[in-house]
Amino acid sequence: QSALTQPPSASGSPGQSVTMSCTGTSSDVGGYNYVSWYQQTPGKAPKLMIYEVTKRPSGVPDRFSGSKSGNTASLTVSGLQAEDEADYYCTSYAGGSNTLIFGGGTKLTVL
Amino acid sequence: EVQLVESGGGLVQPGGSLKLSCAASGFTFSASSMHWVRQASGKGLEWVGRIRNRANSYATSYAASVRGRFTISRDDSDNTAYLQMNRLKTEDTAVYYCARSTNWGCDYWGQGTLVTVSS
Repeated sequence: QSALTQPPSASGSPGQSVTMSCTGTSSDVGGYNYVSWYQQTPGKAPKLMIYEVTKRPSGVPDRFSGSKSGNTASLTVSGLQAEDEADYYCTSYAGGSNTLIFGGGTKLTVL
Repeated sequence: EVQLVESGGGLVQPGGSLKLSCAASGFTFSASSMHWVRQASGKGLEWVGRIRNRANSYATSYAASVRGRFTISRDDSDNTAYLQMNRLKTEDTAVYYCARSTNWGCDYWGQGTLVTVSS
């Protein structure tokens, strides 16, 4: 099972919105609503930001939102803040192999 | 408060074995599925495998890269999940995280334990 495709970098200025993509296939992203997004800062464990495509865990700011269209999922961060600077990873359930696959990660820079 | 604490990492020679533990507290461990995820230094996250709960017959699934070499197990009486790693390769060197599963997402993570495979 190949990794999901994420752009290596994204950036935006404070207050702006940025959208990060995560592209898979009909066997993973497109076939199931089990896409999650994680935020990771250096030296720390990942933190769940979005699960089941659009759901936000308790405590995650509503500036973070998820969506999906076809085989591509997206994470949008609105009203960018300096603290949002981190690596963001997407995952999807892959039904054919009953596995979880990660994207390569996107490094978000707040300018 | 949900807590996951990994232990058992260390230095091991290629071809060797190591068993990691993940001690859980603050939630009903026996009702939860658990994932293992790893991250090589400076690299992205890689899913290792998952073990389901008793209601789902403790079913396991693994990434192709570790299938046949790694085994996930659990002891619900001790609130602990395990990752037995055999026939280790240098490319298995990574920080290993355990995480609680929520419908193929991971909602709580441990702090990770470092495994180094080197001669």
